[in-house]
Amino acid sequence: DQQVKQNSPSLSVQEGRISILNCDYTNSMFDYFLWYKKYPAEGPTFLISISSIKDKNEDGRFTVFLNKSAKHLSLHIVPSQPGDSAVYFCAASGVGGSQGNLIFGKGTKLSVKP
Amino acid sequence: NAGVTQTPKFQVLKTGQSMTLQCAQDMNHNSMYWYRQDPGMGLRLIYYSASEGTTDKGEVPNGYNVSRLNKREFSLRLESAAPSQTSVYFCASSEGGRGKLGYTFGSGTRLTVV
Repeated sequence: DQQVKQNSPSLSVQEGRISILNCDYTNSMFDYFLWYKKYPAEGPTFLISISSIKDKNEDGRFTVFLNKSAKHLSLHIVPSQPGDSAVYFCAASGVGGSQGNLIFGKGTKLSVKP
Repeated sequence: NAGVTQTPKFQVLKTGQSMTLQCAQDMNHNSMYWYRQDPGMGLRLIYYSASEGTTDKGEVPNGYNVSRLNKREFSLRLESAAPSQTSVYFCASSEGGRGKLGYTFGSGTRLTVV
């Protein structure tokens, strides 16, 4: 049973436009959420995170929004650049024991076209 | 500062062969993890070590063993490789199991079992 779901396997966006990547979760014990970016033949790299006590966190062109009641988070990239083309993974962690480990979604492949 | 180093980067095994994937981190992190990435499946946790001297099963531990040799090193062993273990393996480390600071990943080992 998937606890972290990224329902869009791929997304194509024009350079300069906004990219919106979505993620849903089912476990109400999750209280910390992260986004990772992965280029081919490289390991995932940490991008941005948000705690459940917040509903928004910004870092430059990247903003993560959290809607706890809907168990939904999204990553906004504005403006999108060709170098943003990568696979984006949503991840979540909760409290206690193994709940502290990160659970990853299946990823969304973003293509930003010049 | 190397971060997380994985060896080897590529490996081809015959069914039934054994091998050990090596991982070392130089960030003095307490926790280390082994994930596998398969097409359409995202990142799935195989085993983790919350601290030196402890190891625990993750989501997909069957067919694998691990050793936390010291605080720096965490190895993953395949005793009798099977084609289903063809995957890209990522090692990661973090300061603690809560994942607040994110995981640092290695660049991966691409394993093919024929």
